[in-house]
Amino acid sequence: AQTVTQSQPEMSVQEAETVTLSCTYDTSENNYYLFWYKQPPSRQMILVIRQEAYKQQNATENRFSVNFQKAAKSFSLKISDSQLGDTAMYFCAFMMGPGGGADGLTFGKGTHLIIQP
Amino acid sequence: DAGVIQSPRHEVTEMGQEVTLRCKPISGHDYLFWYRQTMMRGLELLIYFNNNVPIDDSGMPEDRFSAKMPNASFSTLKIQPSEPRDSAVYFCASSLDPTDTEAFFGQGTRLTVV
Repeated sequence: AQTVTQSQPEMSVQEAETVTLSCTYDTSENNYYLFWYKQPPSRQMILVIRQEAYKQQNATENRFSVNFQKAAKSFSLKISDSQLGDTAMYFCAFMMGPGGGADGLTFGKGTHLIIQP
Repeated sequence: DAGVIQSPRHEVTEMGQEVTLRCKPISGHDYLFWYRQTMMRGLELLIYFNNNVPIDDSGMPEDRFSAKMPNASFSTLKIQPSEPRDSAVYFCASSLDPTDTEAFFGQGTRLTVV
């Protein structure tokens, strides 16, 4: 079974700063997908960024980027120029690739990110 | 499309009562997932369907839980009888193909069993 670990239960930074959220995972699979989801107080789960394990290039989405280290099984999220609206729970998630036998997401416990004005 | 629609948003029920949570996936999506979120265990996959057929229900905690998908536009998650430890937020999500596209989540149902 796959496991996802987020070692930072809570982080707090000042607005406009850069913050990095950590995530490690454990799998014996070679083909899989990794995600970061954001959950604001509204409770809605919002996809922030997605990474295919076969791609060496790190995914980026505007202010959000990842540092994917496949050998180390590490998948950190960097938020640049943080904004008050970034305050939320952030979940790292894993999904096996095609033919892996499971199509659902395995989530970490989450990191509560607080952006201070 | 209005997105994944779950009802009710909030449900409070007494221990021992039957609870039914409902989900309408995005039209055309072949996959439907039910997740549960608690403080202790985080987000867990309960069950998922592909083309209305249950594929993996290994996450369903016990026989008190059951899920159905009678057609492509509707799914239910039923708990009978409910217990206080079932209190959680239950999410429904749908996707075209989870390996190619993102899964879209509903707003969740907050269930409180007293």
